[in-house]
Amino acid sequence: AQSVTQPDIHITVSEGASLELRCNYSYGATPYLFWYVQSPGQGLQLLLKYFSGDTLVQGIKGFEAEFKRSQSSFNLRKPSVHWSDAAEYFCAVGRGGYQKVTFGTGTKLQVIP
Amino acid sequence: DARVTQTPRHKVTEMGQEVTMRCQPILGHNTVFWYRQTMMQGLELLAYFRNRAPLDDSGMPKDRFSAEMPDATLATLKIQPSEPRDSAVYFCASGSGSGTSGRVNTGELFFGEGSRLTVL
Repeated sequence: AQSVTQPDIHITVSEGASLELRCNYSYGATPYLFWYVQSPGQGLQLLLKYFSGDTLVQGIKGFEAEFKRSQSSFNLRKPSVHWSDAAEYFCAVGRGGYQKVTFGTGTKLQVIP
Repeated sequence: DARVTQTPRHKVTEMGQEVTMRCQPILGHNTVFWYRQTMMQGLELLAYFRNRAPLDDSGMPKDRFSAEMPDATLATLKIQPSEPRDSAVYFCASGSGSGTSGRVNTGELFFGEGSRLTVL
């Protein structure tokens, strides 16, 4: 069965600092991997996705993520965090097509001045 | 601007009452997912549909929950009777069968803003 682990429940960073959110997945084949962001009171919005090709993928809002098969990881990064990045971030794994997508438990990001 | 629309946004009801949540997927999307979000359990998949047919509803308590797609523009999630433990935010998400990356269907989802349910 597919699963996703986000080991950090809550992370606090200073504005302008770099950010890395961790994600580990368990899946028997090549996974389709996603990062979503959820602002308070809102639904989830796709930041980026990986399904093949270059293992470093670029997303919206200056985010990027790197797929590392050997480590079963898909960590999300941003070089310089803005106050507006404060939100909850979810990593997800699926098989593409019409198959279901499984979400991690999320990481809440707090940005301090 | 295409978006998934959910109604109601907020619902407060008493235990034992019937609750119906509605979702209008993005026009042309043929997969619809229902998720429930709580602090304790996070995002749980309740059910999902492809071309209006249920593919998996194993995450849904069968005795009180039911999900349907009467037509391609409407998905419903019904709870009868509701219980306090059903209090949560319920999200609908839709996906495109043709995908947004060439011919690859990556399974990315477009979420509505959710229906916040409080059962007293």
